[in-house]
Parts: sequence; C-alpha cells; structure tokens
Amino acid sequence: GENVEQHPSTLSVQEGDSAVIKCTYSDSASNYFPWYKQELGKGPQLIIDIRSNVGEKKDQRIAVTLNKTAKHFSLHITETQPEDSAVYFCAASMGNNNDMRFGAGTRLTVKP
Amino acid sequence: GAGVSQSPRYKVAKRGQDVALRCDPISGHVSLFWYQQALGQGPEFLTYFQNEAQLDKSGLPSDRFFAERPEGSVSTLKIQRTQQEDSAVYLCASRSRDEQFFGPGTRLTVL
Repeated sequence: GENVEQHPSTLSVQEGDSAVIKCTYSDSASNYFPWYKQELGKGPQLIIDIRSNVGEKKDQRIAVTLNKTAKHFSLHITETQPEDSAVYFCAASMGNNNDMRFGAGTRLTVKP
Repeated sequence: GAGVSQSPRYKVAKRGQDVALRCDPISGHVSLFWYQQALGQGPEFLTYFQNEAQLDKSGLPSDRFFAERPEGSVSTLKIQRTQQEDSAVYLCASRSRDEQFFGPGTRLTVL
C-alpha cells in the first residue's frame, strides 16, 4: 500500500519568511495529492491540492509542486503570517480517492 | 451551510465500555469516511461508505470496531469493549468530488 513520509516534523519561521514542507510517496499509481491545515481542536481543512498531470499549482500565498519521477511533492507558503501557525498534513491517494494516506504532519510556528 | 458535525466532541470511557460516535455529513454527500488520529500523527483510514454501503473496512483495527450508515446519511462508529489503545481523535469526513470535508472529531479517552 501507499506510504507517505513528511518532513520536517516541526518548522519555525519568522513572520514574512517562506516555509517549505516536503513529502514523499511510495506508490507510483497515486495521482491526487492534497494538503490540509489542522488547527487545535478542529478537523483538517483542505488548503490546496494537485493532480499528477500538473507540476505546480498556486493559490495566492500557497503553492504546491509535484515531481512524479522522484515521487515527492512540496508545500510552499510565502509571506507567512502568525495565523498560518498550525499543523499541516500532506496526503496521497490513487484512482477513486477512497484510500487516502496521510503524512505524520508538520507543526508550523510563525513568530511575529 | 452546515459542515460535517460530530458528537460527542469528547468522550471518556472506562476500559471495557462500549462507545458510539456519531457523524452528520454534509447534506447530499454520497461518500463518507472515518479516520483515527493518534496524538501527533496524521489521520489513518478506518472505513468508507458510499451511500449506505460500506465498501471498504480494511482500516478497522479489530472486530471490536463497527461502523454503519443505515440510511445513507448519518453514520455511527461503534467501539465495543474499549481498550486504552483506542484513545485517539476519531474524524469523520464526507466528500464532494475530490475534496474531503472533515468534521471537528471526537476525542476518545479510555481510562
């Protein structure tokens, strides 16, 4: 089955700096890669996703890149703000997206 | 519109007790998922429903775990004879197209 590795486990940046979180996956059949933000006491919330037919996707300060050959994908947050502080999870799934595998999470802290 | 809701938000059970966790998905969402999230970890897949049919239960950790969705809407995850290792946050999600919308979770603590 699919195995998703995520790093770093914790990341601390100064407000205004960029943050990068990286994930690798094991199953080349995976074709859908979402990123979730989870705040304390809440469920994960989708912030951006990418399919395997696209190499990069941007949404304002957030971007995701995908390297299918190397089987890794990354989340980039620019101009970080204190409200970006949360735990971020990457995930991977294939086909009908019924069996999504999550990374272990990255706790991002943005210091004002 | 309302999102996915779960109840109770917190549950404390004595070891050996049975518990039932409820999920109200977004209206009209056909697909429903249950996940288990241990402290400091990502969600782990438990089971998946399409309408009332449980199409995949490969993630349920033991036969003490049982899920149902009899009318294709509300779902209940039941854990019998709870053990300490069952302590976790149980997340429910319903899906529209690719995106899974998560509820706030139920934090289960087994003493």
